[in-house]
Amino acid sequence: DAGITQSPRHKVTETGTPVTLRCHQTENHRYMYWYRQDPGHGLRLIHYSYGVKDTDKGEVSDGYSVSRSKTEDFLLTLESATSSQTSVYFCAISEISTIRRNTEAFFGQGTRLTVV
Amino acid sequence: AQSVTQLGSHVSVSEGALVLLRCNYSSSVPPYLFWYVQYPNQGLQLLLKYTSAATLVKGINGFEAEFKKSETSFHLTKPSAHMSDAAEYFCAVRGVIQGAQKLVFGQGTRLTINP
Repeated sequence: DAGITQSPRHKVTETGTPVTLRCHQTENHRYMYWYRQDPGHGLRLIHYSYGVKDTDKGEVSDGYSVSRSKTEDFLLTLESATSSQTSVYFCAISEISTIRRNTEAFFGQGTRLTVV
Repeated sequence: AQSVTQLGSHVSVSEGALVLLRCNYSSSVPPYLFWYVQYPNQGLQLLLKYTSAATLVKGINGFEAEFKKSETSFHLTKPSAHMSDAAEYFCAVRGVIQGAQKLVFGQGTRLTINP
């Protein structure tokens, strides 16, 4: 299994509080992604990173920010949590080069976040 | 833009019956296509991927998928369903979107196996 660790695995927080989720990898992969999974929507990309300090928005980035100060860590912050952000969050990593273009993404076990 | 459509959010089959999960894609050539499986309370695990070396791709747990360019499809099949196949299945396509490599998922198909 790819070395991806998400923490915490479960969290309950109150509306309006900031929350940070951590993704740690030991594979030295360049790309890291944060997805949220909701019934009927599959997985939707929140933010992604293509290198240290290189990040960009995905399709559902409002209310979220990210940081990547080291290759191995990718943090997702909910600046002021809302009930609509109750979801399961997945981190993924992948390594893509001009030689190896069809490499798959590897996923963490997920973080179940409940905003009350 | 790259996208995938999974036909049917829920599929139910009897144990021992054929499993067919449908996926159609929209992508620039060549498409990089994947099927993932998610068991309850777990992350996503790769079932198989299209490498362009062969149109019929074999994956884990007896699953396979056939790439049909003319139909822009990448349907997942298994000849004989097992109770342990009950899970959610996601088709995904990867490509360059807004200058970066991104993986775009379908909405998922939940597979139920009836005894």
